[in-house]
Amino acid sequence: ETGVTQSPTHLIKTRGQQVTLRCSSQSGHNTVSWYQQALGQGPQFIFQYYREEENGRGNFPPRFSGLQFPNYSSELNVNALELDDSALYLCASSLGTSGSYNEQFFGPGTRLTVL
Amino acid sequence: DAKTTQPPSMDCAEGRAANLPCNHSTISGNEYVYWYRQIHSQGPQYIIHGLKNNETNEMASLIITEDRKSSTLILPHATLRDTAVYYCIVRPLTSGTYKYIFGTGTRLKVLA
Repeated sequence: ETGVTQSPTHLIKTRGQQVTLRCSSQSGHNTVSWYQQALGQGPQFIFQYYREEENGRGNFPPRFSGLQFPNYSSELNVNALELDDSALYLCASSLGTSGSYNEQFFGPGTRLTVL
Repeated sequence: DAKTTQPPSMDCAEGRAANLPCNHSTISGNEYVYWYRQIHSQGPQYIIHGLKNNETNEMASLIITEDRKSSTLILPHATLRDTAVYYCIVRPLTSGTYKYIFGTGTRLKVLA
């Protein structure tokens, strides 16, 4: 059983560019969440996908968008990058059903630097 | 805003028990308490979760007070590899969304 994997591990972009981050969920997991973690802070919830549909969103602007694919892998897209988007981006997967309290398993993250 | 409060930092001697407190005084009756830890900017690692009964697994024990307003994570024999930021999370129910609301956690340093 493989865990959650993310790519790339590091990325450097310039302000105004667009970026796509990728995540492969743990085998059998159908729910994926994305988090942004600024330096010295706890992770902040961006959004969640369940069976290819967004089913929850945090306080992030629409230029943060995502996709979940039939194999439950996922992408996070960020348009018009700003300096404050520099952070560690974490993907977490879980086996999700309504009312389930199954824990989320996190990937190692992608470190994005915006210059 | 996070629904939990934790001390910002703690030290523990290697081999001793590390007791990490968490206050969650506004917890609702159907919300679980989760604990994760994060080692040096890796992804958070799941430790344990519970509702109202004490829980134990191979990593740690979780003690939840009877009124559920606070809990304590116990690492029975701390090692240097347990040095990490520990997050206590109360999972809010929002139409089945699984979001965790992280606070700033407790930075545990295990001393040799």
